[in-house]
Amino acid sequence: GAVVSQHPSWVICKSGTSVKIECRSLDFQATTMFWYRQFPKQSLMLMATSNEGSKATYEQGVEKDKFLINHASLTLSTLTVTSAHPEDSSFYICSARPAGIDYNEQFFGPGTRLTVL
Amino acid sequence: GQNIDQPTEMTATEGAIVQINCTYQTSGFNGLFWYQQHAGEAPTFLSYNVLDGLEEKGRFSSFLSRSKGYSYLLLKELQMKDSASYLCAGMDSNYQLIWGAGTKLIIKP
Repeated sequence: GAVVSQHPSWVICKSGTSVKIECRSLDFQATTMFWYRQFPKQSLMLMATSNEGSKATYEQGVEKDKFLINHASLTLSTLTVTSAHPEDSSFYICSARPAGIDYNEQFFGPGTRLTVL
Repeated sequence: GQNIDQPTEMTATEGAIVQINCTYQTSGFNGLFWYQQHAGEAPTFLSYNVLDGLEEKGRFSSFLSRSKGYSYLLLKELQMKDSASYLCAGMDSNYQLIWGAGTKLIIKP
């Protein structure tokens, strides 16, 4: 149980285009989902926390107009990288925390590798 | 401020035991997590400690001392597949994970 999927697994796009990444909790409901970015040989960097039905909370230094997050249901959150540039190339990982239990664990998706040419 | 410290890299021999230490400072505390991350993959959960003491799970054990702000991950009977980065993360009062930079563990035959 507690499986999180991400789509796509990898994407290559031209500079200036927008890319949407989906994060789904397959067998549980998640009131809270997290979006991380990880550059090579670095740790996870939290970009934003998204709660179902409300606006996402962005970390300092993360542009909310560039990284659009929508958490429309208890099983789906999307991250859209708008007008992507080469410096946005990174490994994007989502995680989800199950609703209604005391356990604080986050379950991670497999990640999406974005390459912007 | 909030901070997680862990060694950058460790090397151990197949079949041996290795202990990866982590010290943490968080605003409030809702537990300490250890994750394993293989290169190019997302992290996978290993352990969660919120009370002092040792939690054992097969070849892996995790220890927590809240008074010292200290945790360690103990890996026994090391296998080559254990070569990975091990991430320590503290959960603060807002239930956000504060991540360490990870410890790259290299297993040699």
